[in-house]
Amino acid sequence: AQTVTQSQPEMSVQEAETVTLSCTYDTSESNYYLFWYKQPPSRQMILVIRQEAYKQQNATENRFSVNFQKAAKSFSLKISDSQLGDTAMYFCAFRSGNSGNTPLVFGKGTRLSVIA
Amino acid sequence: GAVVSQHPSWVICKSGTSVKIECRSLDFQATTMFWYRQFPKQSLMLMATSNEGSKATYEQGVEKDKFLINHASLTLSTLTVTSAHPEDSSFYICSARNRESSYNSPLHFGNGTRLTVT
Repeated sequence: AQTVTQSQPEMSVQEAETVTLSCTYDTSESNYYLFWYKQPPSRQMILVIRQEAYKQQNATENRFSVNFQKAAKSFSLKISDSQLGDTAMYFCAFRSGNSGNTPLVFGKGTRLSVIA
Repeated sequence: GAVVSQHPSWVICKSGTSVKIECRSLDFQATTMFWYRQFPKQSLMLMATSNEGSKATYEQGVEKDKFLINHASLTLSTLTVTSAHPEDSSFYICSARNRESSYNSPLHFGNGTRLTVT
């Protein structure tokens, strides 16, 4: 079974600064997908960024980028120019690529606070 | 596009009663939907995988007779919490993938249902 580990329960960052959230995972599969989701106080799940395991290039979405180290099974999220609206819970998630109907496996989350 | 509607968003019920939560994909068809449960300040834990036209697959430790799942159409899955007890109070979230999209497409989430059992 796959597991996802987020070792930072809470983090804080000053507005406009950069912060990195860590995530490691364990799997024996070679085909899979990794995601970062944001959950603000409204509890809506918002996709931040995703990465296909077969792609070596790190995904980037505006201020959000990942550092995907496949051999180390590491998938960290970097948020640049942090904004107050980035305050939320961030979940790293794994999904098997063996079929189109596999669920997401989530880490325990990191609560990020952006301080003005 | 790719909207998942979950209803109700908030419900309070008395202990011993049953509550039904609906999850609808509004603009796409989903052969599979997933039900998650989230306790306060915790992660999302997969409860079951709902398959259209067949029985749901439950995760270990989830009582299938207590959490009844029905996926009668390609756009609707329901979760019924039967004989609810206070320990069933939680946040329940459904998610689905457009069956027409590629494998790497993300799951789409409903906005969740906060259940409080008194």
